[in-house]
Amino acid sequence: NAGVTQTPKFQVLKTGQSMTLQCAQDMNHEYMSWYRQDPGMGLRLIHYSVGAGITDQGEVPNGYNVSRSTTEDFPLRLLSAAPSQTSVYFCASSMRDRVTYEQYFGPGTRLTVT
Amino acid sequence: AQSVTQLGSHVSVSEGALVLLRCNYSSSVPPYLFWYVQYPNQGLQLLLKYTTGATLVKGINGFEAEFKKSETSFHLTKPSAHMSDAAEYFCAVSSRVNYGGSQGNLIFGKGTKLSVKP
Repeated sequence: NAGVTQTPKFQVLKTGQSMTLQCAQDMNHEYMSWYRQDPGMGLRLIHYSVGAGITDQGEVPNGYNVSRSTTEDFPLRLLSAAPSQTSVYFCASSMRDRVTYEQYFGPGTRLTVT
Repeated sequence: AQSVTQLGSHVSVSEGALVLLRCNYSSSVPPYLFWYVQYPNQGLQLLLKYTTGATLVKGINGFEAEFKKSETSFHLTKPSAHMSDAAEYFCAVSSRVNYGGSQGNLIFGKGTKLSVKP
């Protein structure tokens, strides 16, 4: 199992450019999510999905779009990048165990918007 | 709304000393509780979690945490710090109630960076 993979590892964008951060998991997990990590802020939830075709907003969804056409993939789209979106982005996936969702995190994508 | 507070953004201990990282939560219903560790330039790894039952939870790498409902706390401890413990630690909570699949959503504290001095 590769677990949760994210591409690219690093990206530099100019203000106004668009791009897609890729996330894939090979564990057949139903739940997937995107977080952003900023210094001194911890991780904050952007969007999540409980299965193919179902997505919902998290705490900080503005400026980001998601879709979930397959169980394996959950891409995050930045439509018009802004410097405030400079951050480290983590994708996570989980399957509900007997009680709760234990999440597996990808290695992250470090994005800089100039 | 749920929230998580981690006291101390930086904690420094000597090798062999006790590690104590503090976490308090705010929630009308006691949530599920987690501690994650992040080594430099890596993703997050689950250290331990509390869901139900015994309030003292043991995790990986010799860490443990105790859920204290009366204090709304879930502090992380390790009796003897090792240089390899230097990392950032995050306390997180998720709801016991599943609103439209949101039970998987984690709310994180701001993190505590642990330094270990030789």
